[in-house]
Amino acid sequence: NAGVTQTPKFQVLKTGQSMTLQCAQDMNHEYMSWYRQDPGMGLRLIHYSVGAGITDQGEVPNGYNVSRSTTEDFPLRLLSAAPSQTSVYFCASSQTDGNQPQHFGDGTRLSIL
Amino acid sequence: SQQGEEDPQALSIQEGENATMNCSYKTSINNLQWYRQNSGRGLVHLILIRSNEREKHSGRLRVTLDTSKKSSSLLITASRAADTASYFCATPRFSGTYKYIFGTGTRLKVLA
Repeated sequence: NAGVTQTPKFQVLKTGQSMTLQCAQDMNHEYMSWYRQDPGMGLRLIHYSVGAGITDQGEVPNGYNVSRSTTEDFPLRLLSAAPSQTSVYFCASSQTDGNQPQHFGDGTRLSIL
Repeated sequence: SQQGEEDPQALSIQEGENATMNCSYKTSINNLQWYRQNSGRGLVHLILIRSNEREKHSGRLRVTLDTSKKSSSLLITASRAADTASYFCATPRFSGTYKYIFGTGTRLKVLA
């Protein structure tokens, strides 16, 4: 049981490049979410999903796209990377009833030059 | 913007001492959760307290919740160097579906 797996762990991009951060969970959780963590800002919710085919915006969705074609996977896409997107990105999953803890991956450290 | 705010932002104590950190929030909740984050790692869930509970214990952790003041506290007793980490509170907010809103965290350093 691997929990929540994020790949890659580190990535450096140039401004304007695109990339996809991968997130997979093996706990059959319906709820999955993406956060970014910046110094002094805590975690900010980017996008989340309550099940396959259903996604919604969080606090800071601009510049990011998501899709949820399966229960297990929830990729985050940066269409045209900007230096302001330099951050650590975390994926998390949980049951959907709002009374369950979230399980986090170990993060992807992304630098945009 | 973050609606959960922890204080202090940073805390440094000696091993064996108790550590207390606080979390304030702005809207009504059905539960509040505390997480720990070790350097370079993801967050790990510590404890969940429901809105109808006032206190909850888990090992050396004690969490209190005061819904009238919209605040919670996390107490770590007899701290150890391994407790050095950042601690975050999180509140699931319901607006059709649940969104988890995290605070800005308290950085705890336990000196051996």
